[in-house]
Amino acid sequence: KAGVTQTPRYLIKTRGQQVTLSCSPISGHRSVSWYQQTPGQGLQFLFEYFSETQRNKGNFPGRFSGRQFSNSRSEMNVSTLELGDSALYLCASSLGNRRNTEAFFGQGTRLTVV
Amino acid sequence: AQSVTQPDIHITVSEGASLELRCNYSYGATPYLFWYVQSPGQGLQLLLKYFSGDTLVQGIKGFEAEFKRSQSSFNLRKPSVHWSDAAEYFCAVAAAGTYKYIFGTGTRLKVLA
Repeated sequence: KAGVTQTPRYLIKTRGQQVTLSCSPISGHRSVSWYQQTPGQGLQFLFEYFSETQRNKGNFPGRFSGRQFSNSRSEMNVSTLELGDSALYLCASSLGNRRNTEAFFGQGTRLTVV
Repeated sequence: AQSVTQPDIHITVSEGASLELRCNYSYGATPYLFWYVQSPGQGLQLLLKYFSGDTLVQGIKGFEAEFKRSQSSFNLRKPSVHWSDAAEYFCAVAAAGTYKYIFGTGTRLKVLA
């Protein structure tokens, strides 16, 4: 069974630009969550999508947004990039039911803002 | 406020020695608990999880963890460490039935040959 696939693996953007990151979950998984990992703040929850609906949201500004498609693939978008947005962005895939909430992570997208 | 504390930022052990990584959590109700491992430049791999039931849980790679409600702890243990265990370890907590994980700051493990 293929794991969680995130594309691209590495990205360099200029301050003020916007960026879109993609995540393909494990087949059969309907929940996709996104996390930001930085040396200073650690791992922080961005949002979770289930059946194309945002089910939970972290404390990030509105510049961070996401969506999920009918095939469960998800994208996250960051607009008006700031230097502080440089981070490893991790996507996690889960079945989505309430009884078994283990999440399986992709290898991440390393975003560098210059 | 909900939080996870991993008191040890760095731990160094010799290969073959036993290992215990500490994790304490602050949560309103009994949470779901997880341990993940991350190698440099990689994503997170799930080692084990606790939802309910037996408080001693077994995971992959020979790891186990014990949930102690009275101490709000979920410490990770391994009887004999291998050089390939060198990585960063994260403890995480989530409200039962949700996918919003709160992670600890991580413990970086170094293994001496």
